Amino acid sequence: AQSVTQLGSHVSVSEGALVLLRCNYSSSVPPYLFWYVQYPNQGLQLLLKYTTGATLVKGINGFEAEFKKSETSFHLTKPSAHMSDAAEYFCAVSDPGSGGGADGLTFGKGTHLIIQP
Amino acid sequence: NAGVTQTPKFQVLKTGQSMTLQCAQDMNHEYMSWYRQDPGMGLRLIHYSVGAGITDQGEVPNGYNVSRSTTEDFPLRLLSAAPSQTSVYFCASSYSVNRANTGELFFGEGSRLTVL
Repeated sequence: AQSVTQLGSHVSVSEGALVLLRCNYSSSVPPYLFWYVQYPNQGLQLLLKYTTGATLVKGINGFEAEFKKSETSFHLTKPSAHMSDAAEYFCAVSDPGSGGGADGLTFGKGTHLIIQP
Repeated sequence: NAGVTQTPKFQVLKTGQSMTLQCAQDMNHEYMSWYRQDPGMGLRLIHYSVGAGITDQGEVPNGYNVSRSTTEDFPLRLLSAAPSQTSVYFCASSYSVNRANTGELFFGEGSRLTVL
């Protein structure tokens, strides 16, 4: 079974500083990887995803993530934080061979990003 | 574009009452699912459906029923509400039966349920 670990339930950065949200996964096969963002009182929306090909993927709002197979990681970064980035961020992993089964997509517990003015 | 629409947005129930959370999508998505979100627990899958007439259980199905009579609608029924079902519920859909090939779930805005 696959699992996702997000290090830090809360991360606080100053406006303009680097954002780094950590995600590690365990999977028996090369996975598909995702980051979702949840703004207050809203549903989740996809930030970016890695399936195959280039390991550095760019998403919306200036975020990017790099798939590092040797480290089983998919950390999310943004060079300069903005107040509007304050939200909950979820890492998720999918087994490409799951065929849409109940365990096909596994979410981490989320990281709350706080932006200090 | 409406996307995924959930109703109601807020609901307060007494223990033992039943209710239905409605979910509708207008994107002709095959796959639909219900999650609950609790503090520190992330999202947990309750039930899902890969097409009209087909449903299956997720990680936490007890106390909930679903049906999928049409492609568009996927209601979640609480049979006899309990305080442990106090949560925020999200409906999500995807345009592929095989979620793994796409990975992009489209979420509704959520339904906040309190059971007293």
